[in-house]
Formats: sequence, structure tokens, C-alpha cells
Amino acid sequence: GAGVSQSPRYKVAKRGQDVALRCDPISGHVSLFWYQQALGQGPEFLTYFQNEAQLDKSGLPSDRFFAERPEGSVSTLKIQRTQQEDSAVYLCASSLAVTDNYEQYFGPGTRLTVT
Amino acid sequence: GQNIDQPTEMTATEGAIVQINCTYQTSGFNGLFWYQQHAGEAPTFLSYNVLDGLEEKGRFSSFLSRSKGYSYLLLKELQMKDSASYLCAVRDRSFKTIFGAGTRLFVKA
Repeated sequence: GAGVSQSPRYKVAKRGQDVALRCDPISGHVSLFWYQQALGQGPEFLTYFQNEAQLDKSGLPSDRFFAERPEGSVSTLKIQRTQQEDSAVYLCASSLAVTDNYEQYFGPGTRLTVT
Repeated sequence: GQNIDQPTEMTATEGAIVQINCTYQTSGFNGLFWYQQHAGEAPTFLSYNVLDGLEEKGRFSSFLSRSKGYSYLLLKELQMKDSASYLCAVRDRSFKTIFGAGTRLFVKA
């Protein structure tokens, strides 16, 4: 079956522009996670959803970052007034649940470059 | 704060065994995961431990000691395709997953 998909795969934005990154999770997966991964580092937690509820957004670096999942399926991560330090790969992952041994399935990521 | 430590890089020879260690200090504990990530690709799940002891899965095994805040991933019969980053990740009390920086493993012929 289809895995997690993300679009666009690559995005170049000028400093100050707004960007929107989309994630399509695996059908039926209740939990959805966003991570930011800098080169040579592990994924850093940004936020996660259970269905449409955003249960934890403690990892969002500033109020320029906003995530939504209005119908409990597709999610969008929006970054306003992008800065150079926002350049990274943004990974989305989905899971059947957050408990027990349910692993996360990752999408291919969106590589954001802010010039 | 929450912290996960693992070695930055390791090198091993094809056919050998390698052990990648991970120590963690997190706000609560709801399971430990190991993921593999090839360069430029997404992480993929390898193993899950929530109780102390060893979990074996083919050439890969993972061990957990909750009292020591310690885990290791053991890879046997190394193959060239095992060259990748290995990420240790802990799910904390709020069910968010904290990842370590990853261990880059180089397998040489």
C-alpha cells in the first residue's frame, strides 16, 4: 500500500517568504508527527497530532511555525517569514497509535532551503 | 532537559559484529526505538524495547536496561548495505519521541 507522502520534496524560499509543507499519512493512521532534521543530526520533534487534535506543540521553534490537521488526515506545516536557520529537512511520520510498539512510518521529507 | 547520547561514528568490517550503545535521560519512559537511516532517505524502523532484556530480530538485536537508562543495538554478519546512520529514540511520558543525533556506521570490505 501507499506509504507516507510529502510535498514538495524540495523548496527554495527567499528569506521572509511563507511556505507550506504538506504531509499525507498512511490511511487509518491516527497519529501524525512533524520533525526537523539538520544535516548530520537526528530528527528533532516539532509537534504531533492524534486525529485532528494537536496534543503537543512544544517543539515548534517559534510562533512563525504553525501546524494543522483539520480533518484528521492530511497535515500542513506552515512557516511564516522564513529565516536562514529554518533551512533543514522536514520529516513527517504517521503511526497507528502513539502507545505500545507501534512504530512511526516516515515520509521522504521536504528539503527546505532559505536563501 | 531530555538527552540521548550515542557515538557519532563507528567503523566495522564486513561479516563482523558491531554494538552501538545509547544512553538516555528523559522525562518518563514509554519505550525505546532504533531506526536505520540511509543518507538522503527517511528513517525506517528496526526494533522496539519497553521491558528490560534482549529482543532479537534476524541479524539485529536490541537490549534495554531501564534502571541504567541504557540500550544497545547489535548487528551481526555485517553487510556493506548496513552502512547507514542508526538512530536511538525514546518515547517520553507525554508520548512524544526524542531522537539521538545518530551513529554513522561505516562497513568496510
